[in-house]
Amino acid sequence: AQSVSQHNHHVILSEAASLELGCNYSYGGTVNLFWYVQYPGQHLQLLLKYFSGDPLVKGIKGFEAEFIKSKFSFNLRKPSVQWSDTAEYFCAVNARGNYQLIWGAGTKLIIKP
Amino acid sequence: ETGVTQTPRHLVMGMTNKKSLKCEQHLGHNAMYWYKQSAKKPLELMFVYSLEERVENNSVPSRFSPECPNSSHLFLHLHTLQPEDSALYLCASSQRTGQIGELFFGEGSRLTVL
Repeated sequence: AQSVSQHNHHVILSEAASLELGCNYSYGGTVNLFWYVQYPGQHLQLLLKYFSGDPLVKGIKGFEAEFIKSKFSFNLRKPSVQWSDTAEYFCAVNARGNYQLIWGAGTKLIIKP
Repeated sequence: ETGVTQTPRHLVMGMTNKKSLKCEQHLGHNAMYWYKQSAKKPLELMFVYSLEERVENNSVPSRFSPECPNSSHLFLHLHTLQPEDSALYLCASSQRTGQIGELFFGEGSRLTVL
């Protein structure tokens, strides 16, 4: 069965630190990849997505993610985090032609001011 | 504002009650979804509707009953729930189901079953 693994349930960083959140998936075929973010008390919203082309994708608020096919990974990065990045981050994978999104369990990110 | 509105935002019910969750999308999308979000667990897809037809029922207990009267509205009828059904229930929409581009989520209905 397909699955998505997010390595850390909680991450605590200080402002200006660099961020990398891991995401690995198990599916051998062609995939679409997503990172969603849920700020405290708000709805889930799309941060960035990869369908094809350049494996380094840029999203909103300075986030980027790199698709490494050989490692089945789609890690999320940000060079310098801000207090406002405190949120829960979800990785999701969609097998091409399938309408199901397979979700990771989420990573709660806390940024200390 | 996501264009997807869920009501009520909070609901407390006993195990013998009957209640409903409502979702409305103002985005002109053709597909709507119900998800269950529990702490420390991946989102669980419950139901998918495409053009008002149910295309997925992910082995959800019959105490959850969806209804999609038109492409803008989605309901989740609840009856004789269990305490383990307490969770955040999220509604989402997308342009179509064939290939998911982006899901637009509501803010969720926090359900507590006593």
